[in-house]
Amino acid sequence: KAGVTQTPRYLIKTRGQQVTLSCSPISGHRSVSWYQQTPGQGLQFLFEYFSETQRNKGNFPGRFSGRQFSNSRSEMNVSTLELGDSALYLCASSRQDRSSYNEQFFGPGTRLTVL
Amino acid sequence: EDKVVQSPLSLVVHEGDTVTLNCSYEVTNFRSLLWYKQEKKAPTFLFMLTSSGIEKKSGRLSSILDKKELSSILNITATQTGDSAIYLCAVEIQGAQKLVFGQGTRLTINP
Repeated sequence: KAGVTQTPRYLIKTRGQQVTLSCSPISGHRSVSWYQQTPGQGLQFLFEYFSETQRNKGNFPGRFSGRQFSNSRSEMNVSTLELGDSALYLCASSRQDRSSYNEQFFGPGTRLTVL
Repeated sequence: EDKVVQSPLSLVVHEGDTVTLNCSYEVTNFRSLLWYKQEKKAPTFLFMLTSSGIEKKSGRLSSILDKKELSSILNITATQTGDSAIYLCAVEIQGAQKLVFGQGTRLTINP
């Protein structure tokens, strides 16, 4: 079974630009979560999608947004990039059955550098 | 505010040693606790501990959840250089569909 995939793996942008990151979950997984990882703040939750609906959102500004498609693939968008947005962006998927506990499995991440 | 704290932040040991990593949490509504290993990029899943499964073991790795003390430990016996990584502890919040992560413990195994 293929794991979580993320594209692109590396991205370099300049301040003020916008960026879109993509995540394809494990087949059969309906929940996709996004996390930002930086050396100073560690792994922080951005948002979670299930069946094309955002169910929860972390404490990030409105410049960070996302969406999920009917095939469970998800995209994350960051507008008006700032230097502090440089980070590893990780996507995780899980089955999210209500009747059982659901491990989250992570993709390889997208390394975003803002110059 | 939900909080997960790991200790130590960094640990250097020799191959063959046994190590214990700690994780404590203060969260509004606990559902489960997860341990991940992060070497290069993606954190890889190790264990999930819940109220109905407070102890897990896989090879040289084992973990215990203490719901009374709101903490968990990850033990690695007979460490190998391949165990060098950052070990992350995360707590799943009931009803919030999110994981709250600790800062991680950077473990270095010297030959």
